[in-house]
Amino acid sequence: DTEVTQTPKHLVMGMTNKKSLKCEQHMGHRAMYWYKQKAKKPPELMFVYSYEKLSINESVPSRFSPECPNSSLLNLHLHALQPEDSALYLCASSMAGGQGYYEQYFGPGTRLTVT
Amino acid sequence: GQQVMQIPQYQHVQEGEDFTTYCNSSTTLSNIQWYKQRPGGHPVFLIQLVKSGEVKKQKRLTFQFGEAKKNSSLHITATQTTDVGTYFCAGPLGSSNTGKLIFGQGTTLQVKP
Repeated sequence: DTEVTQTPKHLVMGMTNKKSLKCEQHMGHRAMYWYKQKAKKPPELMFVYSYEKLSINESVPSRFSPECPNSSLLNLHLHALQPEDSALYLCASSMAGGQGYYEQYFGPGTRLTVT
Repeated sequence: GQQVMQIPQYQHVQEGEDFTTYCNSSTTLSNIQWYKQRPGGHPVFLIQLVKSGEVKKQKRLTFQFGEAKKNSSLHITATQTTDVGTYFCAGPLGSSNTGKLIFGQGTTLQVKP
């Protein structure tokens, strides 16, 4: 199984809402990632978890809060977002502890719209 | 800081024509990866190159890694409509093993049938 799943596929939320994005993989990967992608741009790294511990936070605003409950699950909690946060949010996973030598498997993404 | 540049940004070809996208890094890379993202889709891993001067083929796709490990190219022979999408190259940040990839800006390929 080489699939990364993400829910929901689409999310519309107001600036005062609290919501969560979910990601799951069953490939035994020990590194998981959150990316943000704007239209016609490359994925932009937000967070990296290695062995369930946060190893990279790319100076992401605190209104984004990641969580890794176990090696298969990754959440992104959203609160008080701004309209400019509207984007495609991609989850990815890779083998080992975030080694740059391993390919990353991306989920289908959550299309987020902040109104 | 470390940068990965990719050209061209867009390419429109007639079906059957060849296509090439080029990737250049400001620093030497330990490896380079290529991803394809179909319209409305997500990035899908295509290949990884590790060795200096390495050439790998996948059917009509040929990937090269430069001798200095600072540049790479993807060449598609006789494009088909199924090749439509954005092709990204990506290299690891520095010599660290954090898993952080630096993506190029991507080349979007349009194929006219």
